Amino acid sequence: SYELTQPPSVSVSPGQTASITCSGDKLGDKYACWYQQKPGQSPVLVIYQDSKRPSEIPERFSGSNSGSTATLTISGTQAMDEADYYCQAWDSNTHNYVFGTGTKVTVL
Amino acid sequence: QLRLQESGPGLVKPPETLSLTCTVSGGSIRITSDYWGWIRQPPGKGLEWIGSFSSSGGTYYNPSLKSRVIISVDRANNQLSLKLSSVTAADTAVYYCARHPNGSGPPQGIYGLDVWGQGTTVTVSS
Repeated sequence: SYELTQPPSVSVSPGQTASITCSGDKLGDKYACWYQQKPGQSPVLVIYQDSKRPSEIPERFSGSNSGSTATLTISGTQAMDEADYYCQAWDSNTHNYVFGTGTKVTVL
Repeated sequence: QLRLQESGPGLVKPPETLSLTCTVSGGSIRITSDYWGWIRQPPGKGLEWIGSFSSSGGTYYNPSLKSRVIISVDRANNQLSLKLSSVTAADTAVYYCARHPNGSGPPQGIYGLDVWGQGTTVTVSS
């Protein structure tokens, strides 16, 4: 089965840049998206089609996808960005919409 | 504004069938370019896609759950339903419904799950 692996946790100081990786076999050949989930809330789409932002998502969120790794970058991280983040991609071989293992971002 | 609302029993006994409904308002479940999916999240764990339905593209299920899942649509009431049979404690989770725009044909995962319901908690226990 297809798997997407993320680091369990990332820590960042306010105003600094946080980078979250998502690794999977030939992930660069698929479309990656990213979700933010705060405690007790539903996930929110922050990046789709590798690097596009929904209109309501701040510009400090950006994404890239190449080779076997997709990356979500949060520039000028704010306290409100503290949350769990999940990557996701559609695997056409297994017809499975796979989520990554999730990363907890802590703003220290 | 598109809104999704999940509903159903909060407690299900093993090995019965879990049945949930997702009511769509502010939009139509008949739009052929959209998929409508179910996702779950066990307590303290990550997200798991269960399956998705499209009026034009058909139905797709997570291979690990495929033998126990049925997703269907009530077009008259603009509702998506989920049935998960032979439940065990491992099926205890928050269940979400969500939309993923796609275009025609099989899912491609281009646009992500852009609108989510608030989720409903289901506990499996005797």
